[in-house]
Amino acid sequence: EVQLLESGGGLVQPGESLRLSCAASGFAFSNNAMSWLRQAPGKGLEWVSSIRSTDDATYYADSVKGRFTISKDNSKNILYLQMNSLRAEDTAIYYCAKAIRGVLISWDSWGQGTLVIVSS
Amino acid sequence: QSALTQPASVSGSPGQSITISCTGTSSDVGGYNYVSWYQQHPGKAPKLMIYDVTTRPSGVSNRFSGSKSGNTASLTISGLQTEDEAHYYCSSYAGGNNLLFGGGTKLTVL
Repeated sequence: EVQLLESGGGLVQPGESLRLSCAASGFAFSNNAMSWLRQAPGKGLEWVSSIRSTDDATYYADSVKGRFTISKDNSKNILYLQMNSLRAEDTAIYYCAKAIRGVLISWDSWGQGTLVIVSS
Repeated sequence: QSALTQPASVSGSPGQSITISCTGTSSDVGGYNYVSWYQQHPGKAPKLMIYDVTTRPSGVSNRFSGSKSGNTASLTISGLQTEDEAHYYCSSYAGGNNLLFGGGTKLTVL
């Protein structure tokens, strides 16, 4: 059974940094593209970032490009999202997800999410 | 790019069929066969129901089906059940590093 468990969320002030982690199990982590998506409170879904399995190529939404960095540790089956220069509009539940199609097309397994609140 | 357009809400009675639309443009929905649909119950993570316009992942009921015509994709749920009550989101690849989501549709099973 695929399991994705996010951690690292919390309350931070604007301009601060946070690193999210996603522990994966139940599938060949190193062979699958992985992504982070987010959902602001009461709002819809937004793709944030993806990492390709074959060459670790990374992809970012324009809203986070230059501020967020996705990475993974295949030896530990952990996906990361380093978030710098956080803004109020980054407040959301952050989900890690396993891709079923492409790098940023569709996802068949999602974690339960971790809440990030950016507020002074 | 703008988000895809979904109706804010739809409703139906148990046993009935409903259809949720997802309208985009020729640069996203109409240009790629990469439309997905997700179901989300309150406080839960999204669940993939349809991908590649019409494909159901393993374990998803065949009461759920997807289709596309031009720039509009649709999710049809037949034989509505109370547990189908949830928010539904469509998404479409839009080329490059662009993946668009719809604003979501709240399905109420009366």
